Amino acid sequence: KAGVTQTPRYLIKTRGQQVTLSCSPISGHRSVSWYQQTPGQGLQFLFEYFSETQRNKGNFPGRFSGRQFSNSRSEMNVSTLELGDSALYLCASSLEGGRNSPLHFGNGTRLTVT
Amino acid sequence: DQQVKQNSPSLSVQEGRISILNCDYTNSMFDYFLWYKKYPAEGPTFLISISSIKDKNEDGRFTVFLNKSAKHLSLHIVPSQPGDSAVYFCAATDSGGGADGLTFGKGTHLIIQP
Repeated sequence: KAGVTQTPRYLIKTRGQQVTLSCSPISGHRSVSWYQQTPGQGLQFLFEYFSETQRNKGNFPGRFSGRQFSNSRSEMNVSTLELGDSALYLCASSLEGGRNSPLHFGNGTRLTVT
Repeated sequence: DQQVKQNSPSLSVQEGRISILNCDYTNSMFDYFLWYKKYPAEGPTFLISISSIKDKNEDGRFTVFLNKSAKHLSLHIVPSQPGDSAVYFCAATDSGGGADGLTFGKGTHLIIQP
């Protein structure tokens, strides 16, 4: 079974630009979550999608948004990029969400904002 | 305000000995705890979890202990092997939980010395 796939692996953008990151979950998984990892803050929850609906959201500004498609694939968008958005963005999928289906993470997209 | 704290950024242990990784939390609503392991350039991988109704959970070489009164949990790895060298993240969630917004610690880098 293929794991969680995130594209691209690396991205360099300029302040003020916008960026879209993509995530393909494990086949059959309906829940997709996004996390931001930075050295200073560690792993922080962005949002979770289930059946094309945002089910939960972390404490991030509205510049961070996402969506999920009918095939469970998900995209995350960051608009008006700031230097502080430089981070590793991790996508994770699980069967249904909830504590009985642990998260399976992808290898992440490393975003650098200059 | 960090709700999950891993106060040791790194830990060095000799191969064959016991590795003990610690984690403290402040949110008394947390009732489910997980440990993830992360190798460089890969996403975190689920290791083991524990519900607050238990004080111990074991899976092979890995045991997690939970002390609710102290709001403290620890991961024991016995015996430690070179492949255990990685960053270990402690995570917690409340009854709404599971994939819905895990709160992670900043991680402890475990180094197993030959």
